[in-house]
Amino acid sequence: EIVLTQSPGTLSLSPGERATLSCKASQSVTSTYLSWFQQRPGQAPRLLIYGASRRATGIPDRFSGSGFGTDYILSISRLEPEDFAVYYCQQYDSSPYTFGQGTKVEIK
Amino acid sequence: QVQLVESGGGVVQPGRSLRLSCAASGFVFSSHGMHWVRQAPGKGLEWVAVIWFDGSKKYYVDSVKGRFTISRDNFNEMLYLQMDNLRVEDTAVYYCGRSAPSGVDSWGQGTLVTVSS
Repeated sequence: EIVLTQSPGTLSLSPGERATLSCKASQSVTSTYLSWFQQRPGQAPRLLIYGASRRATGIPDRFSGSGFGTDYILSISRLEPEDFAVYYCQQYDSSPYTFGQGTKVEIK
Repeated sequence: QVQLVESGGGVVQPGRSLRLSCAASGFVFSSHGMHWVRQAPGKGLEWVAVIWFDGSKKYYVDSVKGRFTISRDNFNEMLYLQMDNLRVEDTAVYYCGRSAPSGVDSWGQGTLVTVSS
């Protein structure tokens, strides 16, 4: 099983600041099969990034993803009020298709 | 537009069974694999199971193997999760999700399963 470890657990930032979230895999993940999701309280997850770096439909360009192998990054260039949420990475390279434990981006 | 609507959640005693359903619309259901993902109260997301577009392959997380069965009805555009021998730790909101080359690209609103005596 591929274990995904996200850091930090919580990120306290102000609107307008840049957020950098990390996702490290216990073994190499084909970047094609690495996604990032946003989940706001009381809502279902929403796909942000797939293929490690491709924005899903309708996702603003302040969201970007990068990485390969075991190390992946989600960046939010300038935080908007609606971006304060929990973010998860997921690999679907091999079953079980595991998620990271999440990073909460909160208002400082 | 893509719509996924889960149903079938509720309160059930440990050891009992429950079947979740997910009604799909707005896309060619028979062309997509489908997932179940769950989220225990206050916890993160846990992938549960996937079924191939034609039902030919099914994969599960270890904790539900032998107890849960994923299935689909392509004619009626329905996804199912049969959950047997439920445990307290299966308590969660269960989401169905559409599989695409981009991963799980659409999600339902979830249905809550509570396992309690």
